[in-house]
Amino acid sequence: DTAVSQTPKYLVTQMGNDKSIKCEQNLGHDTMYWYKQDSKKFLKIMFSYNNKELIINETVPNRFSPKSPDKAHLNLHINSLELGDSAVYFCASSPPGLAGSYEQYFGPGTRLTVT
Amino acid sequence: SQQGEEDPQALSIQEGENATMNCSYKTSINNLQWYRQNSGRGLVHLILIRSNEREKHSGRLRVTLDTSKKSSSLLITASRAADTASYFCATTRPGNTPLVFGKGTRLSVIA
Repeated sequence: DTAVSQTPKYLVTQMGNDKSIKCEQNLGHDTMYWYKQDSKKFLKIMFSYNNKELIINETVPNRFSPKSPDKAHLNLHINSLELGDSAVYFCASSPPGLAGSYEQYFGPGTRLTVT
Repeated sequence: SQQGEEDPQALSIQEGENATMNCSYKTSINNLQWYRQNSGRGLVHLILIRSNEREKHSGRLRVTLDTSKKSSSLLITASRAADTASYFCATTRPGNTPLVFGKGTRLSVIA
């Protein structure tokens, strides 16, 4: 069974559209994250949720809105997509504790292309 | 701002050789982690070393941490073609702070 899964794997859309990426983990972890990896492979955290509560928001534009219906799911909704949003988005989870205290388990990534 | 910087950016070696990658960081840390990313895949955790530890081993992997120099190294012994991937270090500062990743080292192991 996949520990952290994301859908879709690929997403191609036009500027101005609204899209969502879904993430689910079956590890029983309390903490989940969204990361953005740009074309130069630089990986940067966007959000962190602990037990459905937002604990880290790294100056991400408010066009990006994470939603956690339960602690096993953390979805990412993006409004008014821009060319610069093109990247690979990774979901991750980790055991409970201070952010970064434990190893993180990553999903396979969603490659978003905005045209 | 970016915390970790890996060196070299790219490394190409023959199968069976050892590969050493370095990571430098700027501020005090709680722990340092190494991850591997195969092309087109998610990151896989390799080793976590805490700030009060100096060395850790896991199979063919050896990680050292020198907090006085703010640096860490990842050694992969007896490399295999399957070790071809990008390797990232990531650090977290004391407190409830997120992991901050470096830009990674691209390792190519030639059979």
